[in-house]
Amino acid sequence: QLQLQESGPGLVKPSETLSLTCTVSGGSISSRTFYWAWIRQPPGKGLEWIGSIYYSGSTYYTPSLKSRVTISVDTSKNQFSLKLSSVTAADTAVYYCARQRSGGSFLLDPWGQGALVTVSS
Amino acid sequence: DIQMTQSPSSLSASVGDRVTITCRASQSISSYLNWYEKKPGKAPKLLIYAASSLQSGVPSRFSGSGSGSVFTLTISSLQPEDFATYYCQQTYSTPYTFGQGTNLAIK
Repeated sequence: QLQLQESGPGLVKPSETLSLTCTVSGGSISSRTFYWAWIRQPPGKGLEWIGSIYYSGSTYYTPSLKSRVTISVDTSKNQFSLKLSSVTAADTAVYYCARQRSGGSFLLDPWGQGALVTVSS
Repeated sequence: DIQMTQSPSSLSASVGDRVTITCRASQSISSYLNWYEKKPGKAPKLLIYAASSLQSGVPSRFSGSGSGSVFTLTISSLQPEDFATYYCQQTYSTPYTFGQGTNLAIK
């Protein structure tokens, strides 16, 4: 059964870079059937798709964050990562990683349990 | 970006009720519409994909319909564990936007 687990600092200072890693277990991140996605949910707000990466390294980002976001993949470690630069309090959120089907409905399943990242000095 | 609008934003219902949530897209998205259930402190859970296909393991009281720009999620008989927030998401084009959510509360 595929599982995903987010890891990284829970507290980041304003203007610094948020870094999270998602470790995939129970399956290969190199599967041609899936992308790997990051989604976030600010406190009291809705879900926001941040972007996705294919095992080959091709990426898609949401335009509102594109200038600050980098998603990368490490197939040797079965991990993918999120970096968000120049963070502000508005980037405080629970960050989720998820597997995204690469065709058909592009559904997100399963998801990691989420990692709360607070931006504060 | 494609805008997704859910209605209502919140609703109260009782166990056993039939409930319908609507999701409207700002343009046609064919059937590229998925529904998720979100409970506090838990990861979102996929319920319906491709507008009307029930995800494996999801109870049959959940159903989805629609195509083009108007979609619905129906719960035929509410159970206590169904009180949660429900989100639609379009995957017709990036960025894959979500609706604002519908909070389903106990009456």
